[in-house]
Amino acid sequence: DIQMTQSPSTLSASVGDRVTITCRASQSITRWLAWYQQKPGKAPKLLISDASNLEDGVPSRFSGSGSGTEFTLTISSLQPDDFATYHCQQYKDSRTFGQGTKVELK
Amino acid sequence: EVQLVESGGDVVQPGGSLRLSCAASGFIFSTNWMSWVRQLPGKGLEWVANIKEDGSEKGYVDSVKGRFTISRDNAKDSVYLQMNNLRAEDTAVYYCARDYMVHGYSYGHFDHWGQGTLVTVSS
Repeated sequence: DIQMTQSPSTLSASVGDRVTITCRASQSITRWLAWYQQKPGKAPKLLISDASNLEDGVPSRFSGSGSGTEFTLTISSLQPDDFATYHCQQYKDSRTFGQGTKVELK
Repeated sequence: EVQLVESGGDVVQPGGSLRLSCAASGFIFSTNWMSWVRQLPGKGLEWVANIKEDGSEKGYVDSVKGRFTISRDNAKDSVYLQMNNLRAEDTAVYYCARDYMVHGYSYGHFDHWGQGTLVTVSS
């Protein structure tokens, strides 16, 4: 099974900050990786697929990069609406998620 | 607008059974793989099961194999999860999710989710 590890688990930041979240796979997943945003009590929302493909309607301040085993989600300038938990998910072999990264207000 | 509405969550004793339902609308249901994904309390997400457009193929995470069964009724635009021999570790919010598909191919991630239904397994 492919394991996904996100870091950090919690990230404290301020509005306007540049934020980076890392997701590592236990083996190569080429670029078969998605990122989701989840707010408390809500369903996850797909942000990025295929490691760097931004979904329609997602603000351009979000970007994804990486390939193989290491991936990043970057928010170029954190906005109030971005405080949430972010999950990565591989779909190279079955489907597994990272444990999530909570972005909170510093 | 794509909508997925889950129902059937409840409190059940260990060893008990429960059937979750998900009603879909806003898209051609019979052309999509569908999945169930769960979220344990305060923890990450776990894919549970999926089912092909016509129900001919199904997949499960190892921890539920032999206990859970996914099915669908395309005439009712609905997907189901029959959960038997429930354990405390099955306690979670269960989401119905639509697989992301392009030209009839399911990529393995999820472009639409329901709001979830809570299953609590406790004596």
